[in-house]
Amino acid sequence: GAGVSQSPRYKVAKRGQDVALRCDPISGHVSLFWYQQALGQGPEFLTYFQNEAQLDKSGLPSDRFFAERPEGSVSTLKIQRTQQEDSAVYLCASRQGPVNTEAFFGQGTRLTVV
Amino acid sequence: ELKVEQNPLFLSMQEGKNYTIYCNYSTTSDRLYWYRQDPGKSLESLFVLLSNGAVKQEGRLMASLDTKARLSTLHITAAVHDLSATYFCAVENTGNQFYFGTGTSLTVIP
Repeated sequence: GAGVSQSPRYKVAKRGQDVALRCDPISGHVSLFWYQQALGQGPEFLTYFQNEAQLDKSGLPSDRFFAERPEGSVSTLKIQRTQQEDSAVYLCASRQGPVNTEAFFGQGTRLTVV
Repeated sequence: ELKVEQNPLFLSMQEGKNYTIYCNYSTTSDRLYWYRQDPGKSLESLFVLLSNGAVKQEGRLMASLDTKARLSTLHITAAVHDLSATYFCAVENTGNQFYFGTGTSLTVIP
């Protein structure tokens, strides 16, 4: 596609509900990243995939957060038993190679937990 | 963990003036990126700096990287209203993680 696409754009979840956020990277991009951006802050790293391999998940804040990219293209970030502190914008980014190339970001999914 | 600090956090400047945003980082890296974010929008890539002494310019914006000082600057020349946005620098570590600064919110006033 023309750019990184994320869905849904907005999600309101009741506390305790499970959510799934989808990311369609740019076609052919090897690397895929998930970031969490709280209001007024810079994005914070969650996890990184190279093709289907999750090479780094050190930024996932708890075991309620789970990400997958089973076929090396589309990725899903799942949050179980959502809490209010999970409210943020979740950004997905992809880039062509593993290193030294710019990353392109999607529009993000704004998650509000009520 | 790599720390990235930007200053100023907020910048209000008049049209036509020049100013510089600073990005300091805590550990060795020679891969630094500048992004722009408009309210409610995603991050738009501005510059990719991949070596010591790298300088890139696009319109009224110029970015540079000094890896020895662990410092990057984003210089704005003759600001115009369209440049109002939040600017982030991001430093990449050896594990391909991007560490972002807290951002500089720029407002250009007539």
